[in-house]
Amino acid sequence: NAGVTQTPKFQVLKTGQSMTLQCAQDMNHNSMYWYRQDPGMGLRLIYYSASEGTTDKGEVPNGYNVSRLNKREFSLRLESAAPSQTSVYFCASSEGPLTNEKLFFGSGTQLSVL
Amino acid sequence: AQSVTQLDSQVPVFEEAPVELRCNYSSSVSVYLFWYVQYPNQGLQLLLKYLSGSTLVKGINGFEAEFNKSQTSFHLRKPSVHISDTAEYFCAVSVSGGATNKLIFGTGTLLAVQP
Repeated sequence: NAGVTQTPKFQVLKTGQSMTLQCAQDMNHNSMYWYRQDPGMGLRLIYYSASEGTTDKGEVPNGYNVSRLNKREFSLRLESAAPSQTSVYFCASSEGPLTNEKLFFGSGTQLSVL
Repeated sequence: AQSVTQLDSQVPVFEEAPVELRCNYSSSVSVYLFWYVQYPNQGLQLLLKYLSGSTLVKGINGFEAEFNKSQTSFHLRKPSVHISDTAEYFCAVSVSGGATNKLIFGTGTLLAVQP
């Protein structure tokens, strides 16, 4: 049972380059999320998709875009990477959009922007 | 607005000793509270949660937490830790019945279990 799968696991970019982080879940979940994790700051929500066909900004959306491709897949795009986007990125999913629903996380993407 | 504080960034402890990881929250309304654990090079996974009812909540791997409304705390405890418990632990809070996009995570506590 794969759960939430993220690719790539590691990536190094130069300032100004673009890239897309991929996320897929096989649990038939309705809601999906992108978080970033920075030392001493916990997890912060970048974007989320409460259900297929909808996306909304989270706490730190600047510099990112997302696409909910279908119910399974939710991608995060950096159009012009900046050093401030160096972070560990986690995709997560839940059956529904309420907090009583358990969050399932992927194993993360470690991104360095030089 | 809700907030959550984990005062200890790192807690070193010897194997088989008891441990308590502290979490305090701030909210003017009723809340849901969560503890998530992140093992090295993995994503977070839910350890336990308080939604309502009994204030003592039992989770996986022998952990438990107690909701204390008067002290606005939700401390995580384990009577005897193992090396395998070495991980980062995150407390999180939301409004009761609220949406996950409003879930607030603490800054994390690294539990370092030494032999």
